[in-house]
Amino acid sequence: LAKTTQPISMDSYEGQEVNITCSHNNIATNDYITWYQQFPSQGPRFIIQGYKTKVTNEVASLFIPADRKSSTLSLPRVSLSDTAVYYCLVYSGAGSYQLTFGKGTKLSVIP
Amino acid sequence: DSGVTQTPKHLITATGQRVTLRCSPRSGDLSVYWYQQSLDQGLQFLIQYYNGEERAKGNILERFSAQQFPDLHSELNLSSLELGDSALYFCASSVASGGTEAFFGQGTRLTVV
Repeated sequence: LAKTTQPISMDSYEGQEVNITCSHNNIATNDYITWYQQFPSQGPRFIIQGYKTKVTNEVASLFIPADRKSSTLSLPRVSLSDTAVYYCLVYSGAGSYQLTFGKGTKLSVIP
Repeated sequence: DSGVTQTPKHLITATGQRVTLRCSPRSGDLSVYWYQQSLDQGLQFLIQYYNGEERAKGNILERFSAQQFPDLHSELNLSSLELGDSALYFCASSVASGGTEAFFGQGTRLTVV
């Protein structure tokens, strides 16, 4: 399983774009990158998933450079309700069944 | 609402006791995952079942066991409970076995006194 490294915490003002970078140096060819969001005392919620280049949905964008050793979750114009812990996960599309969460990044949005 | 149902929502029990946590996955999901989340440990993967069979095992103690039934609901059994077992226990489900979006329930908060 590829190990992931993220900043422990980040602060941002409301209305700003937030970029959270995750390092996964030993990502394998079959591995995908997934991000989850978790509010206090709630289960994590899937945000976005990608393999390479850029993926965008209604919530966020995910940027993955060509070497795939890192990825950046971009949240446009954050609001107070985006205050949460964000987890970067790497899993294998070739049969690794564990969804392993790291420590995550605690994002605090300031008014 | 993720569609994953966990019962009970809260549970208070004494040390040495045994409890059973129940999870009903989303309709159509064959895979069930169990996680433990305590303040100092983060989200710890315990075990995964797919269509009734164990598929992956994480940091699950020998005092803990799980199973997935033919109707696909799952139960996590925790025995000889210790104070340190107090945590939020989450169940998640997904359509396939690994590699797909997993939907989490609201969790069961277990307090061991």
